[in-house]
Amino acid sequence: AQSVTQLGSHVSVSEGALVLLRCNYSSSVPPYLFWYVQYPNQGLQLLLKYTSAATLVKGINGFEAEFKKSETSFHLTKPSAHMSDAAEYFCAVTQANQAGTALIFGKGTTLSVSS
Amino acid sequence: DARVTQTPRHKVTEMGQEVTMRCQPILGHNTVFWYRQTMMQGLELLAYFRNRAPLDDSGMPKDRFSAEMPDATLATLKIQPSEPRDSAVYFCASGLTTGDAFFGQGTRLTVV
Repeated sequence: AQSVTQLGSHVSVSEGALVLLRCNYSSSVPPYLFWYVQYPNQGLQLLLKYTSAATLVKGINGFEAEFKKSETSFHLTKPSAHMSDAAEYFCAVTQANQAGTALIFGKGTTLSVSS
Repeated sequence: DARVTQTPRHKVTEMGQEVTMRCQPILGHNTVFWYRQTMMQGLELLAYFRNRAPLDDSGMPKDRFSAEMPDATLATLKIQPSEPRDSAVYFCASGLTTGDAFFGQGTRLTVV
């Protein structure tokens, strides 16, 4: 079975500060990993994905994530937070190259950005 | 601008009533997912389809929930009878592979 654990249900940063949202995964097979963002009363929007190519993945809005197999981690970072980054962020996992599997999501991390 | 369309966006119903939620996936996508989001449980996978065939519905309470894809442009999720504990936001998503799920805006269901 696959799962992801997001460490910290709530992260607060100041505008301009580094954003670090943590995600650890558990998978017995090579995983595909994703980060999604959800703004209030909206659906989820894909930020970035890891699909076994480059371990450092760049996404939209200046976010990036690094796949570290040895640490089973896929942490999301952004060098400088903006007020518009305030949202809920979800890490998700699925099986690589396996038809018939769906995304399994973590519990989410709410990011607050203060001025 | 291709997007997943869900209707209705909001639904308030009385306990015991039937509820039908509809989803129009992005044209050409062959995989459709139904998720439920609550504060307590987060995002739960209810069911998903590939090429209109159900692949997994183990996340759904079978006695009251049903999911179908009458055609490639429509997916439905029905609850009969509805209960207060079904109150949640229900998301439909579509994609071409096991990843890259594109989400709709959701249906916010309140059962009173």
